[in-house]
Amino acid sequence: EPEVTQTPSHQVTQMGQEVILRCVPISNHLYFYWYRQILGQKVEFLVSFYNNEISEKSEIFDDQFSVERPDGSNFTLKIRSTKLEDSAMYFCASSDRAGAYNEQFFGPGTRLTVL
Amino acid sequence: DAKTTQPPSMDCAEGRAANLPCNHSTISGNEYVYWYRQIHSQGPQYIIHGLKNNETNKMASLIITEDRKSSTLILPHATLRDTAVYYCIVRVVSNQGGKLIFGQGTELSVKP
Repeated sequence: EPEVTQTPSHQVTQMGQEVILRCVPISNHLYFYWYRQILGQKVEFLVSFYNNEISEKSEIFDDQFSVERPDGSNFTLKIRSTKLEDSAMYFCASSDRAGAYNEQFFGPGTRLTVL
Repeated sequence: DAKTTQPPSMDCAEGRAANLPCNHSTISGNEYVYWYRQIHSQGPQYIIHGLKNNETNKMASLIITEDRKSSTLILPHATLRDTAVYYCIVRVVSNQGGKLIFGQGTELSVKP
């Protein structure tokens, strides 16, 4: 069964460094998402992406964040200058349709630790 | 998107039906009810969704009250692998894909 993959599974970085989290969505999917989950807290929406542009973003997704689909398979989340509070599990998700049947398939996540 | 209220935790005996309630009293006519679950530290997983009719799939059944102000997710024969946090999400569907707004969910513990 096709699945969303994410790399790396765990990323440790120093505060102020740039990180890129990578996702390979399911191949025929068109809608892409990033969510994050700080340890012990709820899953939070960051951004949605469709047709090579951001569809919607949350307040969390400020100028330090960017997303890109550099080729036909990868979907990346970049954090330019990491802060301690960026430490979280980051989940990528994808879907093949909009509307009511917008079932989002989530990847296993990347645990980001900022020291 | 309408707010949902779920009990923070529930227990269920293995092999029995798990009935997870959700209140969404402010739901509007064009909002759907979705259920996702998150098994410890994994990515959330879609379970089922509905608008006003009851729905059933391989994983679960969704019962929505006639006034749509509440719903119940039913796992007919819970197994230990069903131990997870279950999220009830109400949202307007979007032709741009739409975001999921997760609450705290119900932590279901299935016990032997």
